[in-house]
Amino acid sequence: AQKVTQAQTEISVVEKEDVTLDCVYETRDTTYYLFWYKQPPSGELVFLIRRNSFDEQNEISGRYSWNFQKSTSSFNFTITASQVVDSAVYFCALSEAGGGADGLTFGKGTHLIIQP
Amino acid sequence: GEEVAQTPKHLVRGEGQKAKLYCAPIKGHSYVFWYQQVLKNEFKFLISFQNENVFDETGMPKERFSAKCLPNSPCSLEIQATKLEDSAVYFCASSRTSENQYFGPGTRLTVL
Repeated sequence: AQKVTQAQTEISVVEKEDVTLDCVYETRDTTYYLFWYKQPPSGELVFLIRRNSFDEQNEISGRYSWNFQKSTSSFNFTITASQVVDSAVYFCALSEAGGGADGLTFGKGTHLIIQP
Repeated sequence: GEEVAQTPKHLVRGEGQKAKLYCAPIKGHSYVFWYQQVLKNEFKFLISFQNENVFDETGMPKERFSAKCLPNSPCSLEIQATKLEDSAVYFCASSRTSENQYFGPGTRLTVL
């Protein structure tokens, strides 16, 4: 069975600070995909990144960066120079790429509060 | 369309009434997924389709929940005899492959 753990329920930082959201996953498959989604207060789910299990390169997109480490089964997300607009709930998710239409297994989310 | 469309945006039902939610996937996407999010927190995968065929329904409470994706029609999720604990936001997602799922805005179901 697959599982995603986001141990940080809520994080509060002051604007311009860097913040890292942790994600640890469990799966028996060797081929899988990891995702991060952002859910702002308005409620929609915004796709941020997908990473497959064979690609351990870290990724940077503007102020966002992701650190994928298979050795520790972690896929952490860092926001550099945080802004108030980054305030949202962030979800890490896992998909086992077996049969095509595999549902995502989500973590419980980390509520990120950026204070001005 | 270029976005997943879900209707209605809000739905209020008395306990025991039926609720029906609709989802139009992105054009060209052959996979459709339904998720339930309770209390702005946990997502639960309900069911997935490949075209009009059920692919995985392991998350569906089968006694009251049913879903369909018929050709040339929006997909639907129906709850017979709703219960208070069915109150949640129901998200539909679609994908061209299993790799990237694009989510709709959700339908908020309130059972009174």
